[in-house]
Amino acid sequence: RKEVEQDPGPFNVPEGATVAFNCTYSNSASQSFFWYRQDCRKEPKLLMSVYSSGNEDGRFTAQLNRASQYISLLIRDSKLSDSATYLCVVNPLSGGYNKLIFGAGTRLAVHP
Amino acid sequence: DGGITQSPKYLFRKEGQNVTLSCEQNLNHDAMYWYRQDPGQGLRLIYYSQIVNDFQKGDIAEGYSVSREKKESFPLTVTSAQKNPTAFYLCASSIGGRLETQYFGPGTRLLVL
Repeated sequence: RKEVEQDPGPFNVPEGATVAFNCTYSNSASQSFFWYRQDCRKEPKLLMSVYSSGNEDGRFTAQLNRASQYISLLIRDSKLSDSATYLCVVNPLSGGYNKLIFGAGTRLAVHP
Repeated sequence: DGGITQSPKYLFRKEGQNVTLSCEQNLNHDAMYWYRQDPGQGLRLIYYSQIVNDFQKGDIAEGYSVSREKKESFPLTVTSAQKNPTAFYLCASSIGGRLETQYFGPGTRLLVL
């Protein structure tokens, strides 16, 4: 079983749609969770951290469910510019350093 | 502007050749990392350095080497021992500590001739 698993997609949605991605992680001791966005042939960029209480940033909402070991990302009112790959990232707090485990990503394509 | 730079953007390697990828940061971050990204896979850690003059192997260090002589710089050498070097290489840095956000450079795409 992979440490961080994501549905690779692609999710094809029209502009204005609401779309949600889930990600599961295997290490129950994981402490920190993030969503990164990666555009084609570019570097990943931090989209948002995921807090236990959930957090919202504009059209983006992230949730953490520790009991079921998954995190989610909800995008409301999708824009063409949201088209990208979304990486789920987990810090298992192991190995004695700032270790991050990356999912393979979920691809989102927003069309007119 | 503070940030992380990587060069070159594209690099071509011949058989048996060692090549070095540059990574520089002016964020005053203590920790730096090298990752490799292959299609359909998550980023995998090659090497990391938590402080100057110290570095540790990550999950896939075989065929790679690094140095950390300056806080700002963390070059990666892809040696001839790395039999499948074609990939997108990403350098990252963070403040330090074990729960800090990592910020990425623009990446170097390495291709084998």
